[in-house]
Parts: sequence; structure tokens; C-alpha cells
Amino acid sequence: AQKVTQAQTEISVVEKEDVTLDCVYETRDTTYYLFWYKQPPSGELVFLIRRNSFDEQNEISGRYSWNFQKSTSSFNFTITASQVVDSAVYFCALSEPPTGANNLFFGTGTRLTVIP
Amino acid sequence: DTEVTQTPKHLVMGMTNKKSLKCEQHMGHRAMYWYKQKAKKPPELMFVYSYEKLSINESVPSRFSPECPNSSLLNLHLHALQPEDSALYLCASSRPGMNTEAFFGQGTRLTVV
Repeated sequence: AQKVTQAQTEISVVEKEDVTLDCVYETRDTTYYLFWYKQPPSGELVFLIRRNSFDEQNEISGRYSWNFQKSTSSFNFTITASQVVDSAVYFCALSEPPTGANNLFFGTGTRLTVIP
Repeated sequence: DTEVTQTPKHLVMGMTNKKSLKCEQHMGHRAMYWYKQKAKKPPELMFVYSYEKLSINESVPSRFSPECPNSSLLNLHLHALQPEDSALYLCASSRPGMNTEAFFGQGTRLTVV
């Protein structure tokens, strides 16, 4: 069984504020993959990051950063100096072998609104 | 070219109609997926094709019939749908195997009347 929890349903921030989106996952496998996707109003899911369960190194990409902590089964996502274009629904997702890296189980998503 | 193209973008169909959704990618990906997303819900996996063979069917009703004619194309044939099947249907593709990300199309927004 696998489960992804995104407890924050909606978040609103004022432009230039930092915001952290929480993701807690549950799995019995020792090998698994975690993802973040962004879904703007246009509908497509935009890939942001992939992490495998053996790589706990945190990552920074421009204004985006991710904090992966196996001890708390969390994979949180921080946007620094938020912009209006960051407004979207953000999904955290989990995939376990052997079904394949992209048989994604998505969390319920967090709708982020950045107010100008 | 990191694009997955889905047609049509919008579709309205009656419960007795037969229609098809199309998905195309030219990234050389050999895994393709159909997801269904209801309003304000996360996407849910429907089907997975790996090397043009159906590898996963997540207990989807037979009124949804997938087809993968070649490595670049994925179709979803629809017949006798119900209003509750109205949703955004997302296609995705990826390299097969582990540690690879999926690229999604913009989806087909389907309304069944």
C-alpha cells in the first residue's frame, strides 16, 4: 500500500514571500521514488523534481528547493520569493517498483495562490 | 522536443457516442500512460503501455479501451460512457524503467451528456 498526504489544501501568500508545501508519504518498500509536479490552470502536469529513496541530498534549483527526510517520511517543497506565475496546484507523488517509476500515486495536491 | 500532444483539447459526447482520444510523443519514450483526473482531485492511473504492450490496467471499466498502435501514439477509445466519466484525461510518456520522469500532455477535457 502506498499513500501520499498533502495536508495543505490551499495556501495564499503575497508575492515575494517564501512558502513551503508539505508532503508526507507512506510506503513499505525500501526502494521508491518521490516526485513533485506543478499543474497550472492550462492542465498539463509539469515535472519539477524526482528523488529516489537512497538519495537524501536536498536540492536547490533557482527559487525552488526540496527537503527530503526519510526519518520523517517527508519530502517538502519550498518556493523562495514567490511570484504570481507560481500560482498553480502542486502535487507530490510516489512510485514504487516493480510496477515502474512512473506509475504515480499522487497526493491530493496543494493549491497555491500568489497575490500580487 | 519534450512535448506530449493530446487531441482534442475538449470533447462533449453523448452516452451513446463512440469517440477516441489521441496522444502523440516524439521523444522516443517506450512507456505511455493514461490518467484520469476529476475536478479538484489528483490524477489517477488508468493504463500503462510498455514497449507497445499493455502492462497495467487499473481495473478500468471496459467502456474505456486503450490502444497503442506504435511507439509514438496512444489512443483511448470511448464507448457508452456515463456522465460520471466526465473528467480531464491526461496522457504521459517516459523512458521505461526506474528513475525516470513522466512528461504529461495538456489533457482532453471530456464532458459526457
